[in-house]
Amino acid sequence: DAKTTQPNSMESNEEEPVHLPCNHSTISGTDYIHWYRQLPSQGPEYVIHGLTSNVNNRMASLAIAEDRKSSTLILHRATLRDAAVYYCILRDVKGTSGTYKYIFGTGTRLKVLA
Amino acid sequence: DSGVTQTPKHLITATGQRVTLRCSPRSGDLSVYWYQQSLDQGLQFLIQYYNGEERAKGNILERFSAQQFPDLHSELNLSSLELGDSALYFCASSVATQGYYGYTFGSGTRLTVV
Repeated sequence: DAKTTQPNSMESNEEEPVHLPCNHSTISGTDYIHWYRQLPSQGPEYVIHGLTSNVNNRMASLAIAEDRKSSTLILHRATLRDAAVYYCILRDVKGTSGTYKYIFGTGTRLKVLA
Repeated sequence: DSGVTQTPKHLITATGQRVTLRCSPRSGDLSVYWYQQSLDQGLQFLIQYYNGEERAKGNILERFSAQQFPDLHSELNLSSLELGDSALYFCASSVATQGYYGYTFGSGTRLTVV
């Protein structure tokens, strides 16, 4: 399984943008980049995913480097409710025998300051 | 409510005992995944079922077993429990095993072994 590397923790001020980096230098051509976040005392929730192009949704934006060896999750205006652990995960779109599973790393703990 | 239902929410049991954790996937989802999250280990993938068949195994102990029933709900059985088995156990579901389909996680079962 291809690995991802994220900073252990980051801080942001409320109402300011947050850029959460992820390195995935061993990414393969068929790996999708997925981001999940885990709020305190809850299960992880899907945030966004992408393959090659930058992606936007109501929660966040995903900027993918041209060589795909890194990506950045962008929260445009951090709120206190965004304080969570953010996980960057690679997922092979084909898999083998129809099987695949997410391998979670340690993620980035985002602290949002009021 | 994510649509994935896990019961019970909390479970306290003694060492050496056996427990069963239950997961009902989101309507229409055929794949079920089990994860263990302890304080010092992060989210560890245990096992995946797709439409009743085991599809992938992670770091699941031999004392643990799982199954997925015809109605697609899944059970994770933990036996000969040890103090170190205390953790949050999450179930997730997805439509399929391949592709870019995201996971929907339940809110977890907190197991405490005393």
